[in-house]
Amino acid sequence: TQLLEQSPQFLSIQEGENLTVYCNSSSVFSSLQWYRQEPGEGPVLLVTVVTGGEVKKLKRLTFQFGDARKDSSLHITAAQPGDTGLYLCAGAVGGTSYGKLTFGQGTILTVHP
Amino acid sequence: DTAVSQTPKYLVTQMGNDKSIKCEQNLGHDTMYWYKQDSKKFLKIMFSYNNKELIINETVPNRFSPKSPDKAHLNLHINSLELGDSAVYFCASSQSTSGYEQYFGPGTRLTVT
Repeated sequence: TQLLEQSPQFLSIQEGENLTVYCNSSSVFSSLQWYRQEPGEGPVLLVTVVTGGEVKKLKRLTFQFGDARKDSSLHITAAQPGDTGLYLCAGAVGGTSYGKLTFGQGTILTVHP
Repeated sequence: DTAVSQTPKYLVTQMGNDKSIKCEQNLGHDTMYWYKQDSKKFLKIMFSYNNKELIINETVPNRFSPKSPDKAHLNLHINSLELGDSAVYFCASSQSTSGYEQYFGPGTRLTVT
């Protein structure tokens, strides 16, 4: 069973601060995704990283896939209240045409104005 | 237009009852999933169907029976509901050629009393 550990579980910061969320595993993933979930809604895909060492940017969000494809990080610059939500990483194993994902336990981010 | 929709949004029922949750996607995807999210926000896959065929069947009690009448619909029927079944159930869909990019519905909050 592949396990993904996210840290921290909870993060409460002020508007304008930077933050990093980590997603670690002892398993190698063929790809890794980050989702954001708001209360009462389903997770929404933010990004998919596939290549070891890959870095992707989405406005103030920077995603990195570890060289060994076992870990990933999400960095948010100058956080805003609108960034508040549950952030989930999810890893896919093998060729996975059918998308069997293993999810981390999530990081609840609260950004205070 | 809603991409992945679920009904009902909320379901409150008593132990021992049988209930169903319906899911529909209008994205033209060929793969659909059911996930369970517990009170700690951990998201775990239950089932996956590709073109109406069961592909993934995780360790789920036999009381849970998915049915896919066509590739745009995936329903979940639960028999003899138990207190531990209380959770939020999410339907998701993807295209098998990029199975790791999944689109989630808004969730159904099931409460068993």
